[in-house]
Amino acid sequence: AQTVTQSQPEMSVQEAETVTLSCTYDTSENNYYLFWYKQPPSRQMILVIRQEAYKQQNATENRFSVNFQKAAKSFSLKISDSQLGDTAMYFCAFMTYNNNDMRFGAGTRLTVKP
Amino acid sequence: EAGVAQSPRYKIIEKRQSVAFWCNPISGHATLYWYQQILGQGPKLLIQFQNNGVVDDSQLPKDRFSAERLKGVDSTLKIQPAKLEDSAVYLCASSPDRGGNEKLFFGSGTQLSVL
Repeated sequence: AQTVTQSQPEMSVQEAETVTLSCTYDTSENNYYLFWYKQPPSRQMILVIRQEAYKQQNATENRFSVNFQKAAKSFSLKISDSQLGDTAMYFCAFMTYNNNDMRFGAGTRLTVKP
Repeated sequence: EAGVAQSPRYKIIEKRQSVAFWCNPISGHATLYWYQQILGQGPKLLIQFQNNGVVDDSQLPKDRFSAERLKGVDSTLKIQPAKLEDSAVYLCASSPDRGGNEKLFFGSGTQLSVL
């Protein structure tokens, strides 16, 4: 069974600084996707970034980048130049190619301080 | 492009009562998901539809939960009778296709409180 673990329930960062959120996962599959979703108080899950496991190059989206270590089954999210609007819950998620059951971690609550 | 619409936004009921949630996915999206998100946890898949057929309902408590997607568009999720442990946010999501390149679009959810 696939599991996703986020070991940091809460984190905080000063505005304009950089923060890294951790995620590890467990799977016997070789082909899968990894995601980071942001959930603000509005509750809507917003896709931040996606990584395909067969790609060695780490995905980047503007201020967001990942450090994907397939052998270690680690998928951390780095937020650069943090903004107040980045304050939210962040969920790491996993999905295999053939099974569309997206598994989520328990989340990390990120607070960006002015 | 309109997003995934859900209603109601909040619902408070007493245990053993019934409740229904409604979801309208993004136009043209074939796949629809219902997730349950208990406070302090990540979302857990309850049921997945492909058009109007059920793809996966292995984690749906079928003794009290039911869902349908008539005509392959809107969907309703029902709980009958509700228990205290059903208190959660119920998220609906949709995606254009199934298999290999999923990008899920989520609604804002319905927050259910069972007293």
